[in-house]
Amino acid sequence: AQTVTQSQPEMSVQEAETVTLSCTYDTSENNYYLFWYKQPPSRQMILVIRQEAYKQQNATENRFSVNFQKAAKSFSLKISDSQLGDTAMYFCACHYGNNRLAFGKGNQVVVIP
Amino acid sequence: DTAVSQTPKYLVTQMGNDKSIKCEQNLGHDTMYWYKQDSKKFLKIMFSYNNKELIINETVPNRFSPKSPDKAHLNLHINSLELGDSAVYFCASSLRRVVYGYTFGSGTRLTVV
Repeated sequence: AQTVTQSQPEMSVQEAETVTLSCTYDTSENNYYLFWYKQPPSRQMILVIRQEAYKQQNATENRFSVNFQKAAKSFSLKISDSQLGDTAMYFCACHYGNNRLAFGKGNQVVVIP
Repeated sequence: DTAVSQTPKYLVTQMGNDKSIKCEQNLGHDTMYWYKQDSKKFLKIMFSYNNKELIINETVPNRFSPKSPDKAHLNLHINSLELGDSAVYFCASSLRRVVYGYTFGSGTRLTVV
């Protein structure tokens, strides 16, 4: 079974500061995709960023960027210039099979004004 | 326009009742899913349909029965509800190959009393 591990259950960050969330995964796939999802208090699951495993370049989306280390099976998320609206649960996910996503247990991020 | 629409958003019911949750997507995706999020926020896949064909059927009590009348709709029917069924149920959709991840509905919070 695919496993995704997120080990920092809750993190606080000052507004405008940077926070990094770690994620490691285990997969036997050769070509796969990785994702970070955000779940704010509204409960909606929102895709933050995606990474294609065959691309070495780290993905970025505005203030969100990843550090993808394929050999180490590591996929961390950096949130720069944190904003109050970034307060949410963040889930790392790894794709396996044709269409399954395995999710980590989530990291709660609280942005403090 | 809502991309993945789930109804109802909240459902409170007594033990032993039968209830259904409906899901519809207008993204043109061909694969739909049901995920269960427990009280610790862990997301676990339950079912997946591709073009009306059941392709993922995880170890779920047979009181849970999905139905997909067409590729834009996926419903979840639950018989004889139990206290342990209380959770948030998410519908999601994607392309057959999960290149761009899932698009989630807003979730249904089911409370069994």
